[in-house]
Parts: sequence; structure tokens; C-alpha cells
Amino acid sequence: DAEITQSPRHKITETGRQVTLACHQTWNHNNMFWYRQDLGHGLRLIHYSYGVHDTNKGEVSDGYSVSRSNTEDLPLTLESAASSQTSVYFCASSESRGRSEQYFGPGTRLTVT
Amino acid sequence: GQSLEQPSEVTAVEGAIVQINCTYQTSGFYGLSWYQQHDGGAPTFLSYNALDGLEETGRFSSFLSRSDSYGYLLLQELQMKDSASYFCAGAAGNKLTFGGGTRVLVKP
Repeated sequence: DAEITQSPRHKITETGRQVTLACHQTWNHNNMFWYRQDLGHGLRLIHYSYGVHDTNKGEVSDGYSVSRSNTEDLPLTLESAASSQTSVYFCASSESRGRSEQYFGPGTRLTVT
Repeated sequence: GQSLEQPSEVTAVEGAIVQINCTYQTSGFYGLSWYQQHDGGAPTFLSYNALDGLEETGRFSSFLSRSDSYGYLLLQELQMKDSASYFCAGAAGNKLTFGGGTRVLVKP
């Protein structure tokens, strides 16, 4: 069955370190998204991609970067982790541009100490 | 830009009906989605309204009125397993913007 996975599921890192969160989907979806979820803020879009070599900034992109070298993967990198980036991170994918139904991964809980 | 407002919490008993309202301000908006998220879990898609009116999917229904910039999710015959957070999300510019979520607590 097609799925979307994230790794690691839990991560503790120190301020200033570079961290990369992995997202892998086997739906063969063109669209992929990264969100962060904090209490009281719902889901906020960090970056998104509509296909290989395409990346776009979301509403909270400062301090994060992504790259898309194939259809299946969209890794999220925190260049220099900050305590404000402690959050739960969700990756999602969708079938076509503009289609509303997104499929979410299980999430990564990141703690920056 | 976009913003979506929904109540923070709703409590109801098993078998009851709950309506979660969502009001929005957005530009280029073309649809309203609803997602369910259980504690510790990932959001899962419930429904999508591209046109005005009511969409029914089993015990859940969703409504959209573009003229009023308003939608709602109706949960009928509430069950304990419906205790979760529910998010409305506006679709515009090829991506989703989520509301802050409504936590629904179902009591026996």
C-alpha cells in the first residue's frame, strides 16, 4: 500500500546544530508540503514543492530549507536549530495542483535544547 | 492573505450533534476542507466543499457559503471515538491554510 513516512519520529538536538528531517512518499504525488504544529497555532506551512526541483516558501519559512531531487522525497533542513523551532513537524503530499486532499505522515517531534 | 477562525473547544455527549463553525478571510479562495486529528496522530482528510451547499459523508456533513465566507462541519450521532481536534482549511493559491482547530470532547 502507498504511504508517507517520516524519520526520525523523535529528535532532540542542541541549539545551533543543523538538523534534517526526512519525508518519503510512495503515492507518486507531485505535491509535497511541510508543516509545523504548535499548541494554539494549528498547522502552519513551512515549504512546499509541486515537483522535482521545484520548491516554494510558506508562511513560516525562515530558518528552514528544502530540496526536491526526486518525486518521493522532500527533506526539511533546519540550518541552525533554535529553541523556537521546537515543534511537531508534519509532511504531507497530494495528487495534483489545487486538489484539497492531502495525506499526512505520522509526524516528527523535534526538541531543541 | 488568509485567516480562518473556529471555536477552540466544544463538549457534547454521546449521540448528540455538534456543529463546528469556520469563518474565513481570504483572497483567491476556491474551497474549504476539513481534517480530523486525534491526540498524537496525524491529520486525516474528512471533506472538501468546492461549491456552496451541503456535502454529506456518513455521520459527518460539511457546508459552505461563499457569500458569507462561512462553513461548518456537522458531526451527528457522536461517538467516543469522535473525540479529536477538527481543522478547517482554506484552499487558495494551490495550498492549504489551516484554522487553529476545534477540540471536540465527547462525554458518555
